[in-house]
Amino acid sequence: DTGVSQDPRHKITKRGQNVTFRCDPISEHNRLYWYRQTLGQGPEFLTYFQNEAQLEKSRLLSDRFSAERPKGSFSTLEIQRTEQGDSAMYLCASSFPTSGRLGEQFFGPGTRLTVL
Amino acid sequence: GQQVMQIPQYQHVQEGEDFTTYCNSSTTLSNIQWYKQRPGGHPVFLIQLVKSGEVKKQKRLTFQFGEAKKNSSLHITATQTTDVGTYFCAGPADSNYQLIWGAGTKLIIKP
Repeated sequence: DTGVSQDPRHKITKRGQNVTFRCDPISEHNRLYWYRQTLGQGPEFLTYFQNEAQLEKSRLLSDRFSAERPKGSFSTLEIQRTEQGDSAMYLCASSFPTSGRLGEQFFGPGTRLTVL
Repeated sequence: GQQVMQIPQYQHVQEGEDFTTYCNSSTTLSNIQWYKQRPGGHPVFLIQLVKSGEVKKQKRLTFQFGEAKKNSSLHITATQTTDVGTYFCAGPADSNYQLIWGAGTKLIIKP
């Protein structure tokens, strides 16, 4: 399967713990996005990478969240000192490079985080 | 800030009836994308509209982009059980690095 993959699919943690999620995009895609989705809402943008450069990060994002894409391939999203409000589905998406506008985004299956 | 609004939040239809969801942006969009998310699944791209007044069809689905490029709609003719899910519209933010998503319209087929 050459789609976007995410690991783990589910994570249950206690409040205050750190968690890290991994995303492997489609190999030819240089653009990678992280989103958060809660029940009944659309995906909320968290951050965007073009190759290894993090070009945009949501202003709403707490300093407890950090993301990396060290070699321009897979990416990790870390949440430090988790809070119950962090419980959500974390989605990763990737896309081809396009000129001038955002292209079709291919989503992974997501990591469902539950903070107890 | 820039917002994308979708209505209705839910639509219950009998199988075979039509379904429509409407999307409105607070700003003019360069393009708009539509995605479908099945229950328990992830968003899957359906289409992108770029031109003012553009209309595109995919079998029973008809997508429109408004003349002012601030609104869009998705119409499904004669719904089937396979159409069940949530339909999202999304438009690029001013930065052009991110999509701003609507809250989605959930299509529910009445038993």
